[in-house]
Amino acid sequence: DAKTTQPTSMDCAEGRAANLPCNHSTISGNEYVYWYRQIHSQGPQYIIHGLKNNETNEMASLIITEDRKSSTLILPHATLRDTAVYYCIVRPPNEKLTFGTGTRLTIIP
Amino acid sequence: GAVVSQHPSWVICKSGTSVKIECRSLDFQATTMFWYRQFPKQSLMLMATSNEGSKATYEQGVEKDKFLINHASLTLSTLTVTSAHPEDSSFYICSAPPRTQGYNEQFFGPGTRLTVL
Repeated sequence: DAKTTQPTSMDCAEGRAANLPCNHSTISGNEYVYWYRQIHSQGPQYIIHGLKNNETNEMASLIITEDRKSSTLILPHATLRDTAVYYCIVRPPNEKLTFGTGTRLTIIP
Repeated sequence: GAVVSQHPSWVICKSGTSVKIECRSLDFQATTMFWYRQFPKQSLMLMATSNEGSKATYEQGVEKDKFLINHASLTLSTLTVTSAHPEDSSFYICSAPPRTQGYNEQFFGPGTRLTVL
C-alpha cells in the first residue's frame, strides 16, 4: 500500500519553476517528507526533507500543507539537468527508505 | 555532501558465475549500508540492510544464499551475486547513512549495472 501518490509524469519549460505535487494523506505525526531524484542510470540524489515547516535549500523548496496531507517540491528555475525521476518518500526517523514510482519530470528547452 | 562509491560501475558475466560488487563510503563511516535493485523502468527495491560486524537483514523474497552481503569495515560493504542468471541482470545501488546521523540522511552510490549472459 503506497504511502504517497505522485503524478506519473510532468513537463516544465526551461527557466520556469517546476512544481511537483505529492499526496500523503495517511502520514503520521512523526513521519518526515523526503524528496530524492534519480537522473537516468545514476544513483538517487537527496534533495530536501521536512516535517511540518516549509524548507528551502540551494536546490529546492519544500512546501508542506498545514494538515501535512500533501506537499510540493519547487525547483525555482528548472534547467535541462533537472530532468529526472523525482521520488516523494514519507517515513519515520531512522526507518529505511522505500521508493515508490515517482514523477518523471522532463524539462523542455 | 558525503560520497559513496561503487565498483565496478558495470559488469558483464556468464550465467553460473559469481559477481562481487563493492560499496564504499569515502569520507564518512557507516555502520549500516543498504542494497537496492532496480529493473528497467521500475523503481528501486530494497534488497537488504548490511550491518557492520553482524549478519545482513534481507527483505522478504530476497534469497540470502544467492545475494551474499559482507560488511567487514565501517567504510566497505560487498554484495556477491552467486551463480548469476540472466534474470539477475539489473542495476544494483547501495546507500549509506553517516554513522553520526542515524538513517536520516542517506547518500547513494552511482550504481552497478550487471548483465548476465
